[in-house]
Amino acid sequence: AQTVTQSQPEMSVQEAETVTLSCTYDTSESDYYLFWYKQPPSRQMILVIRQEAYKQQNATENRFSVNFQKAAKSFSLKISDSQLGDAAMYFCATKQGGSEKLVFGKGTKLTVNP
Amino acid sequence: SQTIHQWPATLVQPVGSPLSLECTVEGTSNPNLYWYRQAAGRGLQLLFYSVGIGQISSEVPQNLSASRPQDRQFILSSKKLLLSDSGFYLCAWADKHNQPQHFGDGTRLSIL
Repeated sequence: AQTVTQSQPEMSVQEAETVTLSCTYDTSESDYYLFWYKQPPSRQMILVIRQEAYKQQNATENRFSVNFQKAAKSFSLKISDSQLGDAAMYFCATKQGGSEKLVFGKGTKLTVNP
Repeated sequence: SQTIHQWPATLVQPVGSPLSLECTVEGTSNPNLYWYRQAAGRGLQLLFYSVGIGQISSEVPQNLSASRPQDRQFILSSKKLLLSDSGFYLCAWADKHNQPQHFGDGTRLSIL
């Protein structure tokens, strides 16, 4: 079974600084996908970034980038130039190829200090 | 563009009452549809998913059921709510072939 572990229940960062959120996962499959979702206080779950396991290049979306270490089964999220609007719960998730099930970690609460 | 609508936003129900939460998607056809529950301070747990009309897969045994009467409509139901059914319920959709899931705004369900 797939599992996702986010070892940091809470993190904080100063506005305009960079922060990295950790995620490790466990899977026996070779075909899988990794995601970071953001859940602000409004509770809407928003897709931040996606990585296909077969791609070696790290995914990037504007200020958000990942460090995908396949051998270590690590998938960290880096947020550059942090903004107040980045404050939210961040969830790491994985899905096997061909499966419909998204498995989520327990989340990291990110606080951005002005 | 695709949009997902989920209602109601909040719901307070007595124990033993029935439940019906509705989710509809616009701007796409034959999507995969999902129901998740999020307990306080926790990640999401997949409850049901559907790859087509009338096709429902259940991930965990529970007091809830799901139905998909139309292509872009997904309904979460219960005949008799339990206190343990309280939580935040999220509907999601995805195009086929390993596309990412996109979530609705959720329903906060409180059972009294």
